[in-house]
Amino acid sequence: AQSVTQLGSHVSVSEGALVLLRCNYSSSVPPYLFWYVQYPNQGLQLLLKYTTGATLVKGINGFEAEFKKSETSFHLTKPSAHMSDAAEYFCAVSDNTGTASKLTFGTGTRLQVTL
Amino acid sequence: NAGVMQNPRHLVRRRGQEARLRCSPMKGHSHVYWYRQLPEEGLKFMVYLQKENIIDESGMPKERFSAEFPKEGPSILRIQQVVRGDSAAYFCASSPLRDNSPLHFGNGTRLTVT
Repeated sequence: AQSVTQLGSHVSVSEGALVLLRCNYSSSVPPYLFWYVQYPNQGLQLLLKYTTGATLVKGINGFEAEFKKSETSFHLTKPSAHMSDAAEYFCAVSDNTGTASKLTFGTGTRLQVTL
Repeated sequence: NAGVMQNPRHLVRRRGQEARLRCSPMKGHSHVYWYRQLPEEGLKFMVYLQKENIIDESGMPKERFSAEFPKEGPSILRIQQVVRGDSAAYFCASSPLRDNSPLHFGNGTRLTVT
């Protein structure tokens, strides 16, 4: 069984500050990892994904994440927060067999960006 | 290009009524997934369908819930005899292939049971 833990249900940063959203996963097989963003009353939008290859993955809107197998982590970062980054962020994992797009989501981290 | 279309956006039902949620996948996508988001929780997988087939329904409650994806028309998630605990946001997602193609999500249907 797979699982995802997102530490911190709420994170607040100042505009221009580093954004760090934490995600740890558990998987019995090499995982595929995803970060999605959800704006109010909208669906989820893919930020980035890791499948194989380079462990540092760059996504949209200046976000990136690094897959660290030894730490079973896939933390999301952005060097400088913008007000428009305020949203809820979900980390998700899927296995790489069978129903690969069947995702297991974390409970989400709500990012607040202050002036 | 139209994305994943869900309707209605908001649905209010009284206890005991039926709720029908519709999802039209993106053009060219033949795989549909339904997820449920309860307040303050992440999304939980419910069911995965291809045209005319249910591939994986391991996340569906055993009673009152059903899903279909007919040859023609949208995918339907049906909830019979709704209860207050069914109040949630229901999201549909689609993908073109049965692999790790990223899911494209609709904007969801927010069901409120009164």
